[in-house]
Order: sequence, then structure tokens, then C-alpha cells
Amino acid sequence: GENVEQHPSTLSVQEGDSAVIKCTYSDSASNYFPWYKQELGKRPQLIIDIRSNVGEKKDQRIAVTLNKTAKHFSLHITETQPEDSAVYFCAVLDFGNEKLTFGTGTRLTIIP
Amino acid sequence: DTEVTQTPKHLVMGMTNKKSLKCEQHMGHRAMYWYKQKAKKPPELMFVYSYEKLSINESVPSRFSPECPNSSLLNLHLHALQPEDSALYLCASSFYESLNADEQFFGPGTRLTVL
Repeated sequence: GENVEQHPSTLSVQEGDSAVIKCTYSDSASNYFPWYKQELGKRPQLIIDIRSNVGEKKDQRIAVTLNKTAKHFSLHITETQPEDSAVYFCAVLDFGNEKLTFGTGTRLTIIP
Repeated sequence: DTEVTQTPKHLVMGMTNKKSLKCEQHMGHRAMYWYKQKAKKPPELMFVYSYEKLSINESVPSRFSPECPNSSLLNLHLHALQPEDSALYLCASSFYESLNADEQFFGPGTRLTVL
């Protein structure tokens, strides 16, 4: 099955600076890569996703880049704000079925 | 309605009890999922239903029994659970078109404690 590694496990960033979280995966056939944000005690919520036919996608302060050759993808958050503090999970969807495998998570703390 | 709902929010049960978790969506999604999430860990897939049929069972112990009565409802029946089964149980749904992946929407979860 798919193996997803996520780094770093914790990240502290000064408010206004950028944050980058990286994930690698093992199955080269995987074609869908979402990122979820989970605040304490709440449900995971999709913040951005990317498909394998696209190299980069941006939505306001959030961007995701995908390198299919190297099998890694990254989340970039610019101009960070206190409300960005949460746990972020990358995920990879197995090709041909609906099995979503999550990375181990990154606890992001924005320092005011 | 653009949400997945789950009941109850919290559940405390003994190891000999039988209880059920419920999940509902009215977005016309044809795939529904059960995930288990332990504290400080990612969600782990348990079951997937596609078009009301069980399509994935991630080797989950038989004390967990899923049921999909119709395309909007998903249940998880619990029996003879162990304390280590205490976790947040998340339901999710998606449109599901084969080979055309799309967003999974998560419910708020049921926090289960097994005594």
C-alpha cells in the first residue's frame, strides 16, 4: 500500500513569515493529493488539493507544488496569521480506489 | 445541505455494550467512509462504501460492523469493544467517480470512550 511521510512534525513560525510542509509518497500511480487542516477538537477540512496533471496550484495565501518524478509535494503558506495555527495533514489517494492515506501531521504554531 | 453530520457527539460505553454511530449526508455523494483517529495521530481508514456496497475493509476487527442502509446514511455498529478502541470516529463522503478523485468531506466525529 501507499506510504506517506510528512515533515516536519512541528513547526513554529513568526506571524507574517512563510511556512512550508513537505510530504513524500511511494506509489507513482497515485494521482490526487489533498491537504487538510485540523484544529483542536474539530474535523479535518480540505484547504487545497492538487492532481497529478498539475505542477502547482495557488489559492490566496496557500499554494501546493507537486513533483511527480521525485514523488513529493509541498504546502506553502505565506503571510502567516495566528488563525493558521493547527495540525496539517497531507494525504494521497490510491489510484483506482477511494483509499486516502494520510501523512503523520505537522503541528504549526504561529507566534504573534 | 453541504455538511456531513454525525451522532452522537460523545459516547461512553462498557465493553459488553452494543451501540451504534450514525452518519448522514445529503450532498448526493455516492461514497462514504469510516475513519478512526487516535490522539495526535492521522485519521486511519476503516471502511469504504461505494454506491451502498462495501468496497474496502481495512482488516478491521469484527467487533466493528458497518452498514449502509441507503445512499445518505452510514452506520457503524459497535459490540464488545476494548478500551484501546477509544478514539474519535470520523465519517466522510465524496462524489466518487472511478479514477476521478475528489474531495472527501468529513463529519465532526464521535468521540468514543470504552471503559
